[in-house]
Amino acid sequence: KQEVTQIPAALSVPEGENLVLNCSFTDSAIYNLQWFRQDPGKGLTSLLLIQSSQREQTSGRLNASLDKSSGRSTLYIAASQPGDSATYLCAVEHSNYQLIWGAGTKLIIKP
Amino acid sequence: DTEVTQTPKHLVMGMTNKKSLKCEQHMGHRAMYWYKQKAKKPPELMFVYSYEKLSINESVPSRFSPECPNSSLLNLHLHALQPEDSALYLCASSQEGTSEKYFGPGTRLTVL
Repeated sequence: KQEVTQIPAALSVPEGENLVLNCSFTDSAIYNLQWFRQDPGKGLTSLLLIQSSQREQTSGRLNASLDKSSGRSTLYIAASQPGDSATYLCAVEHSNYQLIWGAGTKLIIKP
Repeated sequence: DTEVTQTPKHLVMGMTNKKSLKCEQHMGHRAMYWYKQKAKKPPELMFVYSYEKLSINESVPSRFSPECPNSSLLNLHLHALQPEDSALYLCASSQEGTSEKYFGPGTRLTVL
């Protein structure tokens, strides 16, 4: 059974720091992995999608990597800003249409 | 345009009411989803429509009834809900089953 874990559950860092969020999964047979952000009480915003054949994707200050063999993905945020404060969720597509979710990392960027 | 819209934003209903949630996308996506999200938890998949046909029903109680009138619209009809059904209901779409998922802003539902 596919399980997705995100560590840490919460993270607080000063503005301007670079940071890494972690996501691990137990079964390497995935179609893709997607990172989302969610602001309190809001919907989910797709940040990056990494296909199973890819190693990384970049969008602005965000870089996501995927190592299927070790069952790990990281989301790197450069030069963090208070506006980056949110909950970050990773999800793996283990079978068609079905995302398996991590519990999320709540990120607070202190001004 | 990568937008999924949902109406209403907030809904309060009694246990005997009938209401509907609406979702719309104009990205030409062929898969549409309903998720339920409780506070501080990840989303839980409820239903998936693929090419306007129901392809996945995650054993959701019959008081929730999905409908896909056309390729751009997805409805969720609610009837005789329970207070524990109070949650954020999220709609999503994707080009295909394993494509990037785009989520709407959600409907915050409160059942009294």
